Amino acid sequence: DGGITQSPKYLFRKEGQNVTLSCEQNLNHDAMYWYRQDPGQGLRLIYYSQIVNDFQKGDIAEGYSVSREKKESFPLTVTSAQKNPTAFYLCASSQLTNDYEQYFGPGTRLTVT
Amino acid sequence: AQSVAQPEDQVNVAEGNPLTVKCTYSVSGNPYLFWYVQYPNRGLQFLLKYITGDNLVKGSYGFEAEFNKSQTSFHLKKPSALVSDSALYFCAVRDRTGGSYIPTFGRGTSLIVHP
Repeated sequence: DGGITQSPKYLFRKEGQNVTLSCEQNLNHDAMYWYRQDPGQGLRLIYYSQIVNDFQKGDIAEGYSVSREKKESFPLTVTSAQKNPTAFYLCASSQLTNDYEQYFGPGTRLTVT
Repeated sequence: AQSVAQPEDQVNVAEGNPLTVKCTYSVSGNPYLFWYVQYPNRGLQFLLKYITGDNLVKGSYGFEAEFNKSQTSFHLKKPSALVSDSALYFCAVRDRTGGSYIPTFGRGTSLIVHP
């Protein structure tokens, strides 16, 4: 998982609470991404960013928000508007070229009850 | 538009036997293709990629993949499977044309290697 850290590894919240997932990278990558992973559904893109102070919605952005105040950091907030927030969340980063692979963090498993 | 299909949800193979995990893709132009592996409760790890040149790409842990343009496929292979290869495998594609750096992932194939 080198170069990208996500914290915490496990997170428990009550329904109705916002929660922020941390993602930090020291790879000097321009692009960062957030994915949600549910069993049998592969990876679904939530948000992505290619430059500081700019980010774009992915396929399932509703109920989520992000910020990119520093190149190294791309935190994800799961808001109370997200109807089914319990999932495994993965952060990734890459260079801004199409032939470059993504580097993934170890993931955060969020459970909301 | 770009898409990836992994037609098998699960592949079972005996240890020591060759393994193949299938991937087919669709892009408007020419593809960049990637394979990743995910162990339980971990992030994805990059295995290998096809950019250009030789159609047979060698990657980490003894894995290789063959790019077949006519069949639009990029199957992952290993000559002799290990129990420790049991994991979830994802294929991903990016179109060379169009400018998007956002890859499209397949739904994943669970590889189970039996002792």
